[in-house]
Amino acid sequence: KAGVTQTPRYLIKTRGQQVTLSCSPISGHRSVSWYQQTPGQGLQFLFEYFSETQRNKGNFPGRFSGRQFSNSRSEMNVSTLELGDSALYLCASSLRTGGEFGTQYFGPGTRLLVL
Amino acid sequence: SQQGEEDPQALSIQEGENATMNCSYKTSINNLQWYRQNSGRGLVHLILIRSNEREKHSGRLRVTLDTSKKSSSLLITASRAADTASYFCATLNAGGTSYGKLTFGQGTILTVHP
Repeated sequence: KAGVTQTPRYLIKTRGQQVTLSCSPISGHRSVSWYQQTPGQGLQFLFEYFSETQRNKGNFPGRFSGRQFSNSRSEMNVSTLELGDSALYLCASSLRTGGEFGTQYFGPGTRLLVL
Repeated sequence: SQQGEEDPQALSIQEGENATMNCSYKTSINNLQWYRQNSGRGLVHLILIRSNEREKHSGRLRVTLDTSKKSSSLLITASRAADTASYFCATLNAGGTSYGKLTFGQGTILTVHP
């Protein structure tokens, strides 16, 4: 099976702009989680989507939002970008059943630089 | 915020030696997982241990879990230069509402010298 794919891989934006990142999960995986990774804060959970519904949300401001489509592909959007939003954004897909319950399979990430 | 801490923050060893990394966490868990990350790329799942398990093996990896101490360790035996990476522990909290949310430690940077 193909792995998790994320587009774009690299992105440069300026403060105040908005950005949309895309994630395609492994075929058959219906849960998609998003994480932000920065040198200072490490890996932090943003949100999880399952069956087109947000199931969990991390401690991020409302500028961070997401959605999931009927084919399980997910997008996350960050509005009014701030310098501190510069980070590696990782998405991960998983099955919600099975022996390895909770195992997540990560994409390569989108590296966002805000100038 | 992070679930807990990993120790050491950095580890430098020679090829062939064993590497041990430790992880502590704070809440009741469903399972604990270890991931590897090479140079700021995506994370690769290594191994998962459930809360009712004490030890698990996969190839050169050995993971232990002590729920009474809320700690885990990852042992990589006979390390290779290709094992050079950052290693993260991640916990899935107990309770059905937390599915999909992994809480990560700060990671251990492992450098294996040829």
